[in-house]
Amino acid sequence: KNQVEQSPQSLIILEGKNCTLQCNYTVSPFSNLRWYKQDTGRGPVSLTIMTFSENTKSNGRYTATLDADTKQSSLHITASQLSDSASYICVVSANYGGSQGNLIFGKGTKLSVKP
Amino acid sequence: DVKVTQSSRYLVKRTGEKVFLECVQDMDHENMFWYRQDPGLGLRLIYFSYDVKMKEKGDIPEGYSVSREKKERFSLILESASTNQTSMYLCASSDRAFGNTIYFGEGSWLTVV
Repeated sequence: KNQVEQSPQSLIILEGKNCTLQCNYTVSPFSNLRWYKQDTGRGPVSLTIMTFSENTKSNGRYTATLDADTKQSSLHITASQLSDSASYICVVSANYGGSQGNLIFGKGTKLSVKP
Repeated sequence: DVKVTQSSRYLVKRTGEKVFLECVQDMDHENMFWYRQDPGLGLRLIYFSYDVKMKEKGDIPEGYSVSREKKERFSLILESASTNQTSMYLCASSDRAFGNTIYFGEGSWLTVV
């Protein structure tokens, strides 16, 4: 069964600190992996998209890594800010011939950054 | 700037009412989606559409229908709202190129009483 597991479920860090969020998946055939940021009460916003041939991608203070062999991805946030407080969702696409309906969503990690 | 607009942010409806949730995108995207998001369950796909008048069932289509008469507009219909449909509903769109960005609306919070 295609699944995406994220850890931890929630995380509290102090402003200025770094953190790493994890995503493990069992999706086959794998096509790409996305990270989204969702502020409370808002829609998700894309941070990164990676295909199996990419092992790292950055977007400002956000850096995503992908290990297609172990089926693991991480999202590293550097020098956290209060505005980083949000849920971070890992989404994996299964390649079933082009249909965009084959997205498998993780349940998200809720990050709280405290002053 | 890309935009997916959901017409209602907050709705309160009575059990048995017919509910329409409207979504409009201004990016000329072929694909449009409706998800619901519940605490602890993440996003679940209700329906998606890859072209005008075309639709496919997602993971949880029961109790819902959709309409896509124009490329930019995708409507979610609850024929007879029930309390277990109280949720946040998210519309999204993307172009047909596989692996591209999916853009989400701000969400519609529906409470059925």
